[in-house]
Amino acid sequence: AQSVTQLGSHVSVSEGALVLLRCNYSSSVPPYLFWYVQYPNQGLQLLLKYTSAATLVKGINGFEAEFKKSETSFHLTKPSAHMSDAAEYFCAVSEGLVGSQGNLIFGKGTKLSVKP
Amino acid sequence: SQTIHQWPATLVQPVGSPLSLECTVEGTSNPNLYWYRQAAGRGLQLLFYSVGIGQISSEVPQNLSASRPQDRQFILSSKKLLLSDSGFYLCAWTPGRGGSNQPQHFGDGTRLSIL
Repeated sequence: AQSVTQLGSHVSVSEGALVLLRCNYSSSVPPYLFWYVQYPNQGLQLLLKYTSAATLVKGINGFEAEFKKSETSFHLTKPSAHMSDAAEYFCAVSEGLVGSQGNLIFGKGTKLSVKP
Repeated sequence: SQTIHQWPATLVQPVGSPLSLECTVEGTSNPNLYWYRQAAGRGLQLLFYSVGIGQISSEVPQNLSASRPQDRQFILSSKKLLLSDSGFYLCAWTPGRGGSNQPQHFGDGTRLSIL
């Protein structure tokens, strides 16, 4: 069965500093992995996805994530934080089965605060 | 392009009252549809998913039910709301038969408060 662990429910960085949000997964089959962002009182917006192509995945808003099979990790990074990056971020895993109904398992989320 | 609509955006209901939340998707056919509940600090909990009209799978036993009367319409209901039903409800879709490498696309959610 798949599972996702996001280390740190809250992360605080200064504007311009590196953003690193951690995600570790567990999957019995090659996984598909996703990062979503949620702004207050809004739905989730897809940032990026890993679907077994390149291990370094670039997303929107300057974010990227690297799939590391040996570490079962898919950490999200951004070189320089902006105030507008303050939001909650969710990592999710999907079983890599052809024809499955696409259910995702979500982590509990990490709230990112950006200090001026 | 595809869009997903949820309404209402916010709802305040007394305990014991009925509930109906609606979600519709435009610009695609035969989508997979999902209802999630989000409680503070607990992430997203999958409540129901549907791969076709009249086909509903429930992930957890609860006070809620779901229906899919039309291809692109997904409804979340309750006959009698409980205090524990408070939360942020999100609807999502993926392309039907798209496989598990497809991301889910979310609506803007409904904030439900039970008094």
